[in-house]
Amino acid sequence: NAGVMQNPRHLVRRRGQEARLRCSPMKGHSHVYWYRQLPEEGLKFMVYLQKENIIDESGMPKERFSAEFPKEGPSILRIQQVVRGDSAAYFCASSPGDSPLHFGNGTRLTVT
Amino acid sequence: AQKVTQAQTEISVVEKEDVTLDCVYETRDTTYYLFWYKQPPSGELVFLIRRNSFDEQNEISGRYSWNFQKSTSSFNFTITASQVVDSAVYFCALKSGAGNNRKLIWGLGTSLAVNP
Repeated sequence: NAGVMQNPRHLVRRRGQEARLRCSPMKGHSHVYWYRQLPEEGLKFMVYLQKENIIDESGMPKERFSAEFPKEGPSILRIQQVVRGDSAAYFCASSPGDSPLHFGNGTRLTVT
Repeated sequence: AQKVTQAQTEISVVEKEDVTLDCVYETRDTTYYLFWYKQPPSGELVFLIRRNSFDEQNEISGRYSWNFQKSTSSFNFTITASQVVDSAVYFCALKSGAGNNRKLIWGLGTSLAVNP
């Protein structure tokens, strides 16, 4: 059973460009979470999705950030008009429900 | 307020030493879960253990053991006979109250270096 798959592993964007981060949950997992890890700040919750629904986006900035988890295909975290402060590691995690999260390897976004 | 404190930012030990990583949590809820995750240099986050607030039994898994003490709000993690492969950042996390995983509160992590 493949784990949570995130791609790309590393992403470099110039200021103002768009960043798209993809996450395929583990087979059978219908709950997807996105976390951001900034240096010396630990992991911060961003958004929680189930298939076609955003359940909780309280941790996501109101502007420029969006997330989706379509019926078919991976979950996408989209950051528009990136700024240097968006540079971070973005982790996706999945679970079948109320059980421990299984994390992907993360996407390291660098904004130049 | 809910909070997880990992007071040790960095620990360095020599192989075969035992090492304990501290985790202190704060919550007003009576029902909660505590977690440990490992983040090796490759960057992925690996789930190690989950304990609920009603089970204070210590747990041992190979060289890993966990000491959960509600009286001191601590959930410490001990690695016995450490190995170089144990070098990683270890995170303690708290899930408190009703609801699901989005309420996970994370500590800042302890970076463990095991030197040969």
